Amino acid sequence: EPEVTQTPSHQVTQMGQEVILRCVPISNHLYFYWYRQILGQKVEFLVSFYNNEISEKSEIFDDQFSVERPDGSNFTLKIRSTKLEDSAMYFCASSVAGAITEAFFGQGTRLTVV
Amino acid sequence: KQEVTQIPAALSVPEGENLVLNCSFTDSAIYNLQWFRQDPGKGLTSLLLIQSSQREQTSGRLNASLDKSSGRSTLYIAASQPGDSATYLCAVPPPPKGGSEKLVFGKGTKLTVNP
Repeated sequence: EPEVTQTPSHQVTQMGQEVILRCVPISNHLYFYWYRQILGQKVEFLVSFYNNEISEKSEIFDDQFSVERPDGSNFTLKIRSTKLEDSAMYFCASSVAGAITEAFFGQGTRLTVV
Repeated sequence: KQEVTQIPAALSVPEGENLVLNCSFTDSAIYNLQWFRQDPGKGLTSLLLIQSSQREQTSGRLNASLDKSSGRSTLYIAASQPGDSATYLCAVPPPPKGGSEKLVFGKGTKLTVNP
């Protein structure tokens, strides 16, 4: 069964360093997302991406964040200068046709900023 | 602004019991509602997507119902097993007219099924 895959599963980084989280969405999906979950809190939306551009972003998704689809399969989230409060589980998701269709999530990348 | 609430926050039941998890949302103008399962430290596994035109959706021992007018959904789990122990999340997209794609999640119900 097709699935969304994310790498790495865990990442520890020092404050101020750049990190890139990687995702391979399901191949026939057209909409891509990043969400995050701080420990003990709700899953919250970061950004959606469609037709090679950001379609929506949340207040959390400030200038420190960027997304890219460098080729036909990968979808990345970059955090330029990590802060302690960026520590969270980051989930990539994809769907065939946006909000009207089922979203499939990856297993997540646990980011720890020290 | 869409808000999603799940009650109870935690539930502990003996194996074999049938149970109901609740989800409520503030804006009834939704495309659909999705239920997920999350194991500790893991990702989100989609369980069921119930469209706004549907009242029920079934998958194995799981049955989700949707009452848009009252802003509620329930997830019924029949004959619970220890392997069902996980956190169950519901999520809805915003109203169609807003053009948003994001899902709004509840905080989840942590289910423990005791052998």
